[in-house]
Amino acid sequence: GAGVSQSPRYKVAKRGQDVALRCDPISGHVSLFWYQQALGQGPEFLTYFQNEAQLDKSGLPSDRFFAERPEGSVSTLKIQRTQQEDSAVYLCASSSYRGRGNEQFFGPGTRLTVL
Amino acid sequence: AQSVSQHNHHVILSEAASLELGCNYSYGGTVNLFWYVQYPGQHLQLLLKYFSGDPLVKGIKGFEAEFIKSKFSFNLRKPSVQWSDTAEYFCAVKAYGGATNKLIFGTGTLLAVQP
Repeated sequence: GAGVSQSPRYKVAKRGQDVALRCDPISGHVSLFWYQQALGQGPEFLTYFQNEAQLDKSGLPSDRFFAERPEGSVSTLKIQRTQQEDSAVYLCASSSYRGRGNEQFFGPGTRLTVL
Repeated sequence: AQSVSQHNHHVILSEAASLELGCNYSYGGTVNLFWYVQYPGQHLQLLLKYFSGDPLVKGIKGFEAEFIKSKFSFNLRKPSVQWSDTAEYFCAVKAYGGATNKLIFGTGTLLAVQP
């Protein structure tokens, strides 16, 4: 597709359930980012991939959060044993290369609500 | 740690009024600076970016921003707003030369333009 796509767009989970959020970056984009955006806040960095390598996971809030990008294209963010504080919009972004000032293209996000 | 401050959380203007949204960042090294916009129901998209060179940067839809290094600021301006500029605006910074290209976002400014 022409842009970054994410699925599902909305997810409701009961506390304790596991969820998996998918990101399809722009074709050929090397870099992929996950951000978390809580209500009324700006996006906060979670993790970064360059191709299939996860080079930075410093933003993942706990070991319940796990991300992968096994073939260097599609990425999945998994949250285990969801908690209410995990409710947020999860944004995926991709960029074409690890260049200075390179633009990150954002997807529409997945809105996760944990009941 | 890097941080970004956006001083105005909500701004209401009438059409044709001038706009200035404040953005300050904290980081002592070289940075790349960005303004992203999120129109209602749409995903984040890049408005403009500062990479190097001329500190006055022009973006899409008549927006511009000025990088003032001594003030650690990157304020967004538009001389005459339109109703279609109603959106949320995010300032973001990226440390140059860091291990990742992660963006640090401000909390956003919600702009409402009244016709």
